[in-house]
Amino acid sequence: NAGVTQTPKFRILKIGQSMTLQCAQDMNHNYMYWYRQDPGMGLKLIYYSVGAGITDKGEVPNGYNVSRSTTEDFPLRLELAAPSQTSVYFCASSSWDSNYGYTFGSGTRLTVV
Amino acid sequence: AQSVTQLDSQVPVFEEAPVELRCNYSSSVSVYLFWYVQYPNQGLQLLLKYLSGSTLVKGINGFEAEFNKSQTSFHLRKPSVHISDTAEYFCAVSDRAGAQKLVFGQGTRLTINP
Repeated sequence: NAGVTQTPKFRILKIGQSMTLQCAQDMNHNYMYWYRQDPGMGLKLIYYSVGAGITDKGEVPNGYNVSRSTTEDFPLRLELAAPSQTSVYFCASSSWDSNYGYTFGSGTRLTVV
Repeated sequence: AQSVTQLDSQVPVFEEAPVELRCNYSSSVSVYLFWYVQYPNQGLQLLLKYLSGSTLVKGINGFEAEFNKSQTSFHLRKPSVHISDTAEYFCAVSDRAGAQKLVFGQGTRLTINP
C-alpha cells in the first residue's frame, strides 16, 4: 500500500548511543516532517523539509539532525541519546497540491535508558 | 506564532450520546484548522479541515466542526457516538505558509462507555 513507512517500530537505546529513524514515502510528496509525541503534550515539530536538499528546524530540534537526499527518504538522526528523547516519533508527508492532506506513518516508539 | 488549546484532556461519554470536543486557537494571522484522530497504537488520520468557505465543516465518521473566528474556536461535534469512536483527538492549526506546518493541541481522549 502507498503511504509513509517508518522503521523500526520499537527501539530501546542506552544513554549516549546514536541511531537513525528511517522514513520513506512513495507518493512523490515534496513536504516531509518529523514530529514527536509525548503524553499530554500533543505533537511537536522537530524538523521539516520542503524538497530534496532543503531542511529546516521546527519547534524542538535540539539533539536531532535530518537529511533529505531524495524525495522519498527523510531519516532522523539522534547522535547522543538522552532520556528526554524517550517518545513516540511520527513521520508525515504532504504535497503542495494536496490541500494539507497529511499522510502519517505508524510511528516509532523509542525508549532511552 | 500559533498555539492551540484543547480545553478537555479527557471526555467520557455514553454510547449514542452527543459529544463536543473543544478547541481554541491563538494566531496573529489567518489560519487553517484541522481535527485528527489517533486510534490506539496507530498514526494520525485526518477527520476534517477548514481552509475557507462555509464555517461548518463535515468530516468522516459523522463528525463535524464549526469555525468561529470571533471566538477563535473550532469545536468538534458528533450527534451520536459509538464504541468505535474511542480514540484520542487532536486539534491543529496552520498559518497558511508554504511549508504546511501544523501546530497541534495537547489532545483529548474520548472514551465511549456502553
